[in-house]
Amino acid sequence: GAVVSQHPSWVICKSGTSVKIECRSLDFQATTMFWYRQFPKQSLMLMATSNEGSKATYEQGVEKDKFLINHASLTLSTLTVTSAHPEDSSFYICSARLAGGVGTQYFGPGTRLTVL
Amino acid sequence: RKEVEQDPGPFNVPEGATVAFNCTYSNSASQSFFWYRQDCRKEPKLLMSVYSSGNEDGRFTAQLNRASQYISLLIRDSKLSDSATYLCVVNIKGGSQGNLIFGKGTKLSVKP
Repeated sequence: GAVVSQHPSWVICKSGTSVKIECRSLDFQATTMFWYRQFPKQSLMLMATSNEGSKATYEQGVEKDKFLINHASLTLSTLTVTSAHPEDSSFYICSARLAGGVGTQYFGPGTRLTVL
Repeated sequence: RKEVEQDPGPFNVPEGATVAFNCTYSNSASQSFFWYRQDCRKEPKLLMSVYSSGNEDGRFTAQLNRASQYISLLIRDSKLSDSATYLCVVNIKGGSQGNLIFGKGTKLSVKP
């Protein structure tokens, strides 16, 4: 149980395009989902906390207009990287927490984004 | 000062060796502590939680020293499959809620 999927697993796009990444909790309902980013040889950095039915909470230094988050249901959160640039190339990982606010975070397999 | 600091390694050890990883954290309000394992180009996976009393899971032993703000992980009888990056993780808000703060990880390579 507690499986989280991400789609796509990898994407290559041209600079200036927008990329949408989906995060789904497959066998549980997730009130809260988290979006992380990991650059090579760096630690995972939390970008934003996504709460179902409300606006996401962004970490300091993360542009909310560039990284659009939508959490429309208890099983799906999306991250859209708008007008992507090469410096946005990274490993994007989501995690989901069980509804009710208790329990560990379950991580998705990640999405590797390469912007040319 | 980084919130969670780890020796990046790499630690290159032979099969069967015992290896220890250390981690320090800066926020004294940290309440929950974990070790995660991350394989190359994969997501992190929870290895074990860390408790003040120390805890063991098979070949893995974790210790927490709140006074020194220090966490350790000991792996006995290393296997080839233990090769991975080990992430020290703390949660400032307690329990499993709130933000997880990840260290950069310590890379372990177990050789035959």
